[in-house]
Amino acid sequence: TQLLEQSPQFLSIQEGENLTVYCNSSSVFSSLQWYRQEPGEGPVLLVTVVTGGEVKKLKRLTFQFGDARKDSSLHITAAQPGDTGLYLCAGVRLSGSARQLTFGSGTQLTVLP
Amino acid sequence: KAGVTQTPRYLIKTRGQQVTLSCSPISGHRSVSWYQQTPGQGLQFLFEYFSETQRNKGNFPGRFSGRQFSNSRSEMNVSTLELGDSALYLCASSPMGAWTEAFFGQGTRLTVV
Repeated sequence: TQLLEQSPQFLSIQEGENLTVYCNSSSVFSSLQWYRQEPGEGPVLLVTVVTGGEVKKLKRLTFQFGDARKDSSLHITAAQPGDTGLYLCAGVRLSGSARQLTFGSGTQLTVLP
Repeated sequence: KAGVTQTPRYLIKTRGQQVTLSCSPISGHRSVSWYQQTPGQGLQFLFEYFSETQRNKGNFPGRFSGRQFSNSRSEMNVSTLELGDSALYLCASSPMGAWTEAFFGQGTRLTVV
């Protein structure tokens, strides 16, 4: 059972369209990170959201952390082929005395020219 | 500043063998985390080392082990390999811990035949 569920699992859209990816959990996270991974590469951190209700913008990407810090969304405006990749959310939670990063199941985005 | 370096990039092993993977973190980073990525299970946390001590461990069998050296370089070992161990193994380094920000290497693609 995945602690963090992402939807949709696969998304194929045309260049110029908008899209939203969701990351949901029944657990509360102290913060949440979004990564993008391209084939043959490791994930690259896009953003970290910390406060419930927080919204962060990174050019055409908008990230939101839910008020209860259990869910997050990533919205891409006017998608471009360069946005193609695997998008991963990762929640930070306490595990004993340590903090652990738990990854979501991922959303494979393909933007067609 | 050099990124995270993982060696080897590709590896083919036979069932029952053991394997050692290496990770050189970004200079100055003291935390190294290891993850297993498979199409079915996604990115799963293996363990984290900080200043040569294992600080956190995921739910993997004892066949998976690791260590960190005084220069922060880390190795992970998998003994008695099984077909299901075939995966991309990713290493991430960070100054204090992956919950702040994690910089991933390109990974080692392990195939068990």
